[in-house]
Amino acid sequence: AQKVTQAQTEISVVEKEDVTLDCVYETRDTTYYLFWYKQPPSGELVFLIRRNSFDEQNEISGRYSWNFQKSTSSFNFTITASQVVDSAVYFCALSEAAGANSKLTFGKGITLSVRP
Amino acid sequence: DTGVSQDPRHKITKRGQNVTFRCDPISEHNRLYWYRQTLGQGPEFLTYFQNEAQLEKSRLLSDRFSAERPKGSFSTLEIQRTEQGDSAMYLCASSLGGRAETQYFGPGTRLLVL
Repeated sequence: AQKVTQAQTEISVVEKEDVTLDCVYETRDTTYYLFWYKQPPSGELVFLIRRNSFDEQNEISGRYSWNFQKSTSSFNFTITASQVVDSAVYFCALSEAAGANSKLTFGKGITLSVRP
Repeated sequence: DTGVSQDPRHKITKRGQNVTFRCDPISEHNRLYWYRQTLGQGPEFLTYFQNEAQLEKSRLLSDRFSAERPKGSFSTLEIQRTEQGDSAMYLCASSLGGRAETQYFGPGTRLLVL
């Protein structure tokens, strides 16, 4: 069975601070995919990134960066110089490659509040 | 740029009533997923379609729930004899298919059962 744990439930920072959102996952598969989604107050889940289990290179996209470490089963997300518009709930998710169903298993989410 | 759309966005109903939600996926996407999200939780998988075939249903999907995707395009999710525990956000997502393709989500339908 697969599982995603987001131990942090709520984080509050002041604008321009850096913030890291943690994600730890469990899976028996050797091939799997990890995702981050953002859910603003409007409710729609917005796709941010997808990584496969064979690619441990860290990725940077503007103010966003992701640190994937297989050794610790973690896929952490850092926002540099946070902005008020970053306030949202952030979900980490896992999909196993075996089988035809690519259903996502989500963590419980982290509510990020960025104060001006 | 047409994303995934869902209708209605909000639904309030009385316990025991039937409700139906609609999802229109991104046009070239052949996979369609339904998830349910309760307050303070992440979305949970309910069911998915490859074209018009419903290939898997979660144990969360009781007999009161039925989903269809008649022509492999839009999908409907019906809940019969609603219960207060059905109150949740119902999210639809679509993808191109293949293993672990990225799923793109719609805005969701928020259901409140009184």
